[in-house]
Amino acid sequence: GAGVSQTPSNKVTEKGKYVELRCDPISGHTALYWYRQSLGQGPEFLIYFQGTGAADDSGLPNDRFFAVRPEGSVSTLKIQRTERGDSAVYLCASSKDTDTQYFGPGTRLTVL
Amino acid sequence: AQSVAQPEDQVNVAEGNPLTVKCTYSVSGNPYLFWYVQYPNRGLQFLLKYITGDNLVKGSYGFEAEFNKSQTSFHLKKPSALVSDSALYFCAVRDGSSNTGKLIFGQGTTLQVKP
Repeated sequence: GAGVSQTPSNKVTEKGKYVELRCDPISGHTALYWYRQSLGQGPEFLIYFQGTGAADDSGLPNDRFFAVRPEGSVSTLKIQRTERGDSAVYLCASSKDTDTQYFGPGTRLTVL
Repeated sequence: AQSVAQPEDQVNVAEGNPLTVKCTYSVSGNPYLFWYVQYPNRGLQFLLKYITGDNLVKGSYGFEAEFNKSQTSFHLKKPSALVSDSALYFCAVRDGSSNTGKLIFGQGTTLQVKP
């Protein structure tokens, strides 16, 4: 079946701009996660949704980052006033409840 | 606080030889442990997990891992390495006693298998 998909695969933006990254989870998966992976590092947790609500947003670095999942399926990660330090690969994962997480291919964000 | 350590940045083995990629963890509750593999420009692929039960768990592509509670380790192993196993490997831990699913990842270990 279809895996987790993320769009766009690459995003280049200028410092100060707003970006949205989209994640389509595996059908039927109630849990959805966002992680950020910087070059040479392991993924770092950002936020976890159970259904429509953010059950744990302790990994969001500051209030420029926000994520939504209005219908309990697709999620959008929103970054305001982007900074060069936001450049990274943003990974989305989904799972049934809190079981094994399956990852999408990621969105590579470059802030110039 | 949860943490994962992968002490080796890179592991080099010859094809056909056994391989081990090391991982140690720290978690306050019950450890749920995972191994993922990442190929260049691709997302993470799940290999195997330990939740409970037998300490030796078997996963995809002939990989296995052994949970050792006293040493807080979860080393990844394969009896005979293939060149195609060359990739970046991540160990991750979750606190099974909490209701958050967040994973804490190690820094990753690059496995290089030479013909």
